[in-house]
Amino acid sequence: TQLLEQSPQFLSIQEGENLTVYCNSSSVFSSLQWYRQEPGEGPVLLVTVVTGGEVKKLKRLTFQFGDARKDSSLHITAAQPGDTGLYLCAGERDTGRRALTFGSGTRLQVQP
Amino acid sequence: DAMVIQNPRYQVTQFGKPVTLSCSQTLNHNVMYWYQQKSSQAPKLLFHYYDKDFNNEADTPDNFQSRRPNTSFCFLDIRSPGLGDAAMYLCATSRKTGVNSPLHFGNGTRLTVT
Repeated sequence: TQLLEQSPQFLSIQEGENLTVYCNSSSVFSSLQWYRQEPGEGPVLLVTVVTGGEVKKLKRLTFQFGDARKDSSLHITAAQPGDTGLYLCAGERDTGRRALTFGSGTRLQVQP
Repeated sequence: DAMVIQNPRYQVTQFGKPVTLSCSQTLNHNVMYWYQQKSSQAPKLLFHYYDKDFNNEADTPDNFQSRRPNTSFCFLDIRSPGLGDAAMYLCATSRKTGVNSPLHFGNGTRLTVT
């Protein structure tokens, strides 16, 4: 059973379109991180959200943490081909020194 | 300026032949992780070291072992690789666990089992 479910699994859009990726769980997380991974490379951290209801912006990317800290969303405005990659959410639960658990991932393809 | 270095980038081994993957870091981070990532899937945590404290995930097969001889190095040993073990293996580090300690990943070792 996947602790963190991401949707959609795959997304192919045209340059300039907007999109939203979701990360959902039935568990509460002390924090959620979003990573982007390009082919042949390791994931790279985009943002960490900590407080329920928190919104963070990173240029054209907007991240939100759900009020109950069980879910998160990533919204990209005016997508560009450079946004192409695998987007992963990862959560840490309130259980001491546990390591991150990754979501199932959303593979985004932005066509020029 | 790579901070988490994995060697080799590509490794081919034979079915049942032991193989070791290596990871080194220049960040002096306390925590080192090994993740397995199969094609188009999310990384799956195998185990992690917090300093010398080894933490195994419950569903990690006994076939996978790890060693951390010092702060900078961590090894993944696969004792008898099967075809299902073919994957990208990612090493990551963090200063500690928790909110303010994001993971820094290496570029991975892609393992092929023939």
